[in-house]
Amino acid sequence: DAGVIQSPRHEVTEMGQEVTLRCKPISGHDYLFWYRQTMMRGLELLIYFNNNVPIDDSGMPEDRFSAKMPNASFSTLKIQPSEPRDSAVYFCASSFSGQGGETQYFGPGTRLLVL
Amino acid sequence: GDSVTQMEGPVTLSEEAFLTINCTYTATGYPSLFWYVQYPGEGLQLLLKATKADDKGSNKGFEATYRKETTSFHLEKGSVQVSDSAVYFCALSKGSGNTPLVFGKGTRLSVIA
Repeated sequence: DAGVIQSPRHEVTEMGQEVTLRCKPISGHDYLFWYRQTMMRGLELLIYFNNNVPIDDSGMPEDRFSAKMPNASFSTLKIQPSEPRDSAVYFCASSFSGQGGETQYFGPGTRLLVL
Repeated sequence: GDSVTQMEGPVTLSEEAFLTINCTYTATGYPSLFWYVQYPGEGLQLLLKATKADDKGSNKGFEATYRKETTSFHLEKGSVQVSDSAVYFCALSKGSGNTPLVFGKGTRLSVIA
């Protein structure tokens, strides 16, 4: 299996621009998580899905952030408009609900820099 | 709310030294506990886990025991190698585990030859 795939790996944009981050979970996994990593706040959950349905989005910073999961193999995290304080590494992770499924598998992350 | 506290880094050790990274947690109920490792420029990889009290997780020479009485899950390795240099994260999840991970701040380990 290819593991969790994220794109792009690096993104540099200017303040005010729209940014879209993409994630392909491991095939067969029914949970998908978006985390953000910053020096100040460490790793924190933004939102997670089960069977493509958002379960908890309380970690989404504000209305500028939105996430979708149109099907079991694809999710997006969008920031519109972007701000310098959004600069961080964004990780996607997936897991499955079967026996031994408590492990979350992480993608390589998208490093976002907003100028 | 639930939280994880781990020792601040960075930690610098010589090769073959003994490693301990302390981790304590605050949570209601019986969380699952994890150690993840992040190598430079990469995502997080599961190192080991324990899902109930007194369980010992182990992998690649690393060990951690779920101690409910002290709410701890300290990571240990008897002899570190240069290749162990990375950032180590302690984390917990509630319920079945398919719930969000709550992470500690991470501990950066550097091992010098």
